[in-house]
Amino acid sequence: AIQMTQSPSSLSASVGDRVTITCRASQGIRNDLGWYQHKPGKAPKLLIYAASSLESGVPSRFSGSGSGTDFTLTISSLQPEDFATYYCLQDDNYPLTFGGGTKVEIK
Amino acid sequence: EVQLVESGGGLVQPGGSLRLSCAASGFTFSDHFMDWVRQAPGKGLEWVGRARNKPKRYTTEYAASVKGRFTISRDDSKNSLYLQMNSLKTEDTAVYYCARITSYYDGSDAFDIWGQGTMVTVSS
Repeated sequence: AIQMTQSPSSLSASVGDRVTITCRASQGIRNDLGWYQHKPGKAPKLLIYAASSLESGVPSRFSGSGSGTDFTLTISSLQPEDFATYYCLQDDNYPLTFGGGTKVEIK
Repeated sequence: EVQLVESGGGLVQPGGSLRLSCAASGFTFSDHFMDWVRQAPGKGLEWVGRARNKPKRYTTEYAASVKGRFTISRDDSKNSLYLQMNSLKTEDTAVYYCARITSYYDGSDAFDIWGQGTMVTVSS
């Protein structure tokens, strides 16, 4: 199975900060990667698909980049509603695998 | 409104069985692949498995941790997805989410609609 190594596992940031989260795949996955936001008690939410395509309705402060094995999610200016846990998910090969998650907390 | 609603969770003893349902509304259910994802307490998201649609002959895929114990099925006439869980273990304790898979213009896929989840607790 493809391993997705996500870092950091947690971070503290302030409103307005630029935040970067990375995912590294154990083998090449082309651009078959999505980014999801998850808040406690809520349904996960798709932010980015195909590594860099912004899902409809998602604010433009979210962006994704990368291909092959290294991927990045960037929040250009952190907003109060962005405090959540973020996951990458590869769908290039079965079994699909998530990264371990990055919890973004308020500094 | 596009919506997925899971049901059927609860408390079950180790070795027992449980069947989860996911009711879809607001979209053409039969067009989409559908997946199950779970989250154990204090842990991250884990993919459980997939049910493809009729053009793909309703074939399924499973995570190694559930293969042979869990079965995913769907009834397009009822706009419903199911997860039959047998031989349950304590490590299957989790919130179970169903999710819709959408294929985009560039051929990529993503989990674009999720339900709120249903809790399954496996304990004696």
